[in-house]
Amino acid sequence: AQRVTQPEKLLSVFKGAPVELKCNYSYSGSPELFWYVQYSRQRLQLLLRHISRESIKGFTADLNKGETSFHLKKPFAQEEDSAMYYCALQGGSEKLVFGKGTKLTVNP
Amino acid sequence: DTGVSQNPRHKITKRGQNVTFRCDPISEHNRLYWYRQTLGQGPEFLTYFQNEAQLEKSRLLSDRFSAERPKGSFSTLEIQRTEQGDSAMYLCASSLGRGSSYEQYFGPGTRLTVT
Repeated sequence: AQRVTQPEKLLSVFKGAPVELKCNYSYSGSPELFWYVQYSRQRLQLLLRHISRESIKGFTADLNKGETSFHLKKPFAQEEDSAMYYCALQGGSEKLVFGKGTKLTVNP
Repeated sequence: DTGVSQNPRHKITKRGQNVTFRCDPISEHNRLYWYRQTLGQGPEFLTYFQNEAQLEKSRLLSDRFSAERPKGSFSTLEIQRTEQGDSAMYLCASSLGRGSSYEQYFGPGTRLTVT
């Protein structure tokens, strides 16, 4: 079975502080992992994917197969990072399996 | 191209009625996906099309649900005999190809409320 777990429903940090959004997955094969973001009153959009190993808006995520994790990190949070973040897995099929999401609030 | 569009954006219906939603993908995207999102949950996969062929359906898609993509362009999702448990945001996405190199672009969703 494919499963994505985001243990934190809510996360609140101050501007300039580091932020880490946790994501753990369950999949027997080699997964493809993504982070999607939904800003207030906007549609869901791709933030980054593990295969490209890129940094988007200062965010990075490293796939750790040993710990089956794909945590999202940013060294210095900005107020505009406040949003809903979803970790998603794609494995053996074209469907995306999403976690329940983490609502990030960056306080001034 | 303004992206994936969905109509209507909101639908309120009474239990037992049928509803139909429409999704217009980004032009030239041959893959189209339907997801459902309930409060406090992430999107859950319902079904997807490659061109006009429906290639995968979730167990969530009961026999009251049917999706079509007749000409490989827009798609419709119909729910027959709606139930209160069908209340959710219905999301459509499209992509140009298979795999993680091809981003799934999401529409704004259709919010269904069954009273």
